Amino acid sequence: GAVVSQHPSRVICKSGTSVKIECRSLDFQATTMFWYRQFPKQSLMLMATSNEGSKATYEQGVEKDKFLINHASLTLSTLTVTSAHPEDSSFYICSARDPQGYGYTFGSGTRLTVV
Amino acid sequence: DAKTTQPNSMESNEEEPVHLPCNHSTISGTDYIHWYRQLPSQGPEYVIHGLTSNVNNRMASLAIAEDRKSSTLILHRATLRDAAVYYCIHRRGGSNYKLTFGKGTLLTVNP
Repeated sequence: GAVVSQHPSRVICKSGTSVKIECRSLDFQATTMFWYRQFPKQSLMLMATSNEGSKATYEQGVEKDKFLINHASLTLSTLTVTSAHPEDSSFYICSARDPQGYGYTFGSGTRLTVV
Repeated sequence: DAKTTQPNSMESNEEEPVHLPCNHSTISGTDYIHWYRQLPSQGPEYVIHGLTSNVNNRMASLAIAEDRKSSTLILHRATLRDAAVYYCIHRRGGSNYKLTFGKGTLLTVNP
């Protein structure tokens, strides 16, 4: 199946700083990517749908000015957590539809810790 | 949002079959049934999906009820590496429609 690469796998940042997470489709083009957040012992919560060349679509309750999404090319989407606070500490995961028909493929996730 | 119901947890013994149930009574005619699994600190992994007919692949089998209101993921011989949270999702047909995750089933495999 298709592969989605996500970086970094772990990041620790100071409160008030910004962090960028990258999600790349390695062997296919993804016009749409999805960003999820997962808190400990909880399920994945969809944050936003990233669309190549246009604005992302955010789920209800997700602050678009805090979680900036850029999908500037067919193989790269980025999520920037701006002015991070400890409550933003979470596991962030990106995803894209596998063009070979094997459902959706997910990145390995980014563990963000804000201190 | 599409909603599925799964048991919170299940337990199995190594090398025995496992049947993971899922109820999706609100499924519509064009919704696909997807199954994913997630190991700790990793992104979810695709397992299998189907629409109406039963499906088999190298990882598992998917049995879909005739009325499509429930399905069962079958792992034919559980291994320790199958211990994970299994998510059943029904997704609207059409390209790039989002997946909405429920709480899933935590599968424990005993050696």
